[in-house]
Amino acid sequence: DAKTTQPPSMDCAEGRAANLPCNHSTISGNEYVYWYRQIHSQGPQYIIHGLKNNETNEMASLIITEDRKSSTLILPHATLRDTAVYYCIVRVANRDDKIIFGKGTRLHILP
Amino acid sequence: NAGVMQNPRHLVRRRGQEARLRCSPMKGHSHVYWYRQLPEEGLKFMVYLQKENIIDESGMPKERFSAEFPKEGPSILRIQQVVRGDSAAYFCASSPGTGAGNSPLHFGNGTRLTVT
Repeated sequence: DAKTTQPPSMDCAEGRAANLPCNHSTISGNEYVYWYRQIHSQGPQYIIHGLKNNETNEMASLIITEDRKSSTLILPHATLRDTAVYYCIVRVANRDDKIIFGKGTRLHILP
Repeated sequence: NAGVMQNPRHLVRRRGQEARLRCSPMKGHSHVYWYRQLPEEGLKFMVYLQKENIIDESGMPKERFSAEFPKEGPSILRIQQVVRGDSAAYFCASSPGTGAGNSPLHFGNGTRLTVT
């Protein structure tokens, strides 16, 4: 699987949009971009995934650049409960392979 | 819908004992994945199973660790003769396995193993 690069940590004020960047410059055409988060002491939580189009669900929006070399996860109105480690992952599209977690971005939501 | 259920949530074993961790996947899911997270470290893949088959065990230690996912019942991760270094959180995930790679893995809340 292609590697991803994320900043180790970020701060965001409560109520503001949190924009988490991810570089995946070696992504292949058949690889999806997935985002998960892990809140302290809990299991990883699936957030969203996409292939080439932007995606939105009740939790977040995923913006993928046209060349697919980077993406941004947007939490539109961050709350204290969004404090977590966020993982950007690429995964091959044609099989149900494992996902490999990197170090992620530790997001601190500031009151 | 019930999520991925793992039990026990906490398990304490003395060195040399066996630990058995159970994972019931979400309803309709036939693929199970086990991960380990050592204290203050990242999530490491261990093994990927489908019903009655091990698909990928590239992350599994060669000795003392085994996993199964029988036709009936939960998936079991078994650690024999536990040592202090086995103390960690063990997470299980499941997916329906569509073959398209676009089915997210859904994780349980883990079993925290402490070896004394």
